[in-house]
Amino acid sequence: DQQVKQNSPSLSVQEGRISILNCDYTNSMFDYFLWYKKYPAEGPTFLISISSIKDKNEDGRFTVFLNKSAKHLSLHIVPSQPGDSAVYFCAASPQSRGTYKYIFGTGTRLKVLA
Amino acid sequence: NAGVTQTPKFQVLKTGQSMTLQCAQDMNHNSMYWYRQDPGMGLRLIYYSASEGTTDKGEVPNGYNVSRLNKREFSLRLESAAPSQTSVYFCASSPGAGEAFFGQGTRLTVV
Repeated sequence: DQQVKQNSPSLSVQEGRISILNCDYTNSMFDYFLWYKKYPAEGPTFLISISSIKDKNEDGRFTVFLNKSAKHLSLHIVPSQPGDSAVYFCAASPQSRGTYKYIFGTGTRLKVLA
Repeated sequence: NAGVTQTPKFQVLKTGQSMTLQCAQDMNHNSMYWYRQDPGMGLRLIYYSASEGTTDKGEVPNGYNVSRLNKREFSLRLESAAPSQTSVYFCASSPGAGEAFFGQGTRLTVV
């Protein structure tokens, strides 16, 4: 059973507009959430994270929103740039043995059109 | 600064062969992970090691074994490779809090 779901496999956005990527999770024990970006033939790279005690975290053009009651998080990219075209994975982590165990969604392919 | 290094980058195996994927990190991280990425399935956790001397199963551990050789190294072994294990394998490490850092991946094909 998929604990972290990204229901949109792909998204196309015009350059300069806002990109909104969504993620849902089922496990209420998750307490740390992350977004990763992945280019072809490379490993995922960390983008931004949020703890369950917050509902928003910003880093430059990237903002992550967390709605714990809905078990939903979203990543906003404003303004979108062609270099943002990549696959985006959300991940959620319960604590296990004193560390995080990262459970990933299936990814959303973002294409930013120039 | 190398970060997380995986070897080999590419491998072709015949069904039934065995092999070990190597991973090393130079960030003094306590925790290490092995994931596989398949089309439409995202990244799925195979095994993880919270600290040196411990290993635990992830979401898809069947057909794999791991060894946390020391704090730096975490290897993944396929004892008898199957076509269903054709995938891209990623190793990652984390300090135990915060984000995980990933290697460049190993593309494995089992024929």
